[in-house]
Amino acid sequence: DIQMTQSPSTLSASVGDRVTITCRASQSVSTWLAWYQHKPGEAPKILMHKASSLESGVSARFSGRGSETEFTLTINSLRPDDFATYYCQQYKTVPWTFGQGTKVEV
Amino acid sequence: QVQLQESGPGLVKPSETLSLTCKVSGGFIGSFYWNWIRQSPGKGLEWIGYIFSPGTTKYNPSLESRVTLSVDTSKNQFSLNVKSATAADTAMYWCARGNVVTGLDYWGQGALVTVSS
Repeated sequence: DIQMTQSPSTLSASVGDRVTITCRASQSVSTWLAWYQHKPGEAPKILMHKASSLESGVSARFSGRGSETEFTLTINSLRPDDFATYYCQQYKTVPWTFGQGTKVEV
Repeated sequence: QVQLQESGPGLVKPSETLSLTCKVSGGFIGSFYWNWIRQSPGKGLEWIGYIFSPGTTKYNPSLESRVTLSVDTSKNQFSLNVKSATAADTAMYWCARGNVVTGLDYWGQGALVTVSS
């Protein structure tokens, strides 16, 4: 299985901050990587696919970069609605695997 | 707009089969990869498997011996069965649409399943 490791596990930030989450894969996934935002009681929401392709309707304050084994998700100008847990997921190889999550908190 | 809705018992006894169904509306189930994902209390997301109509399946090896996915195109729905359920199967379960280009783009609201006597 491809192991996905996110850092940090928890990120303390304030409204207006720029934050970056890192996701590392144990082997190359090319750019077959997605990012999701998850809030308690809700379904996860896809933000990005193919590492850097923003989903329709998702704010341009979100951006993704990377390839092979190292990826980042950056959120510019953090808003109250952005406080959530973020997951990366590789879909290059079955089993598809998720990172352990990064909780962005106040 | 594609919508997915999970349904099934919220309580399952140990050793019994956990069964959930996902109804798809706003799109034909005959394309895409139809997935199940779960999250146990306090843990991260775990991909269970997908089915690609008419019957190609891929499972997480950690669950493969106990999991079966099926699809009913006439009802536009797909199902998950986990046999010999244990407390470790207690989780929120989501169904989701996926494809090899965009990942998991539409999700259901989730179904909480507790395995307990």
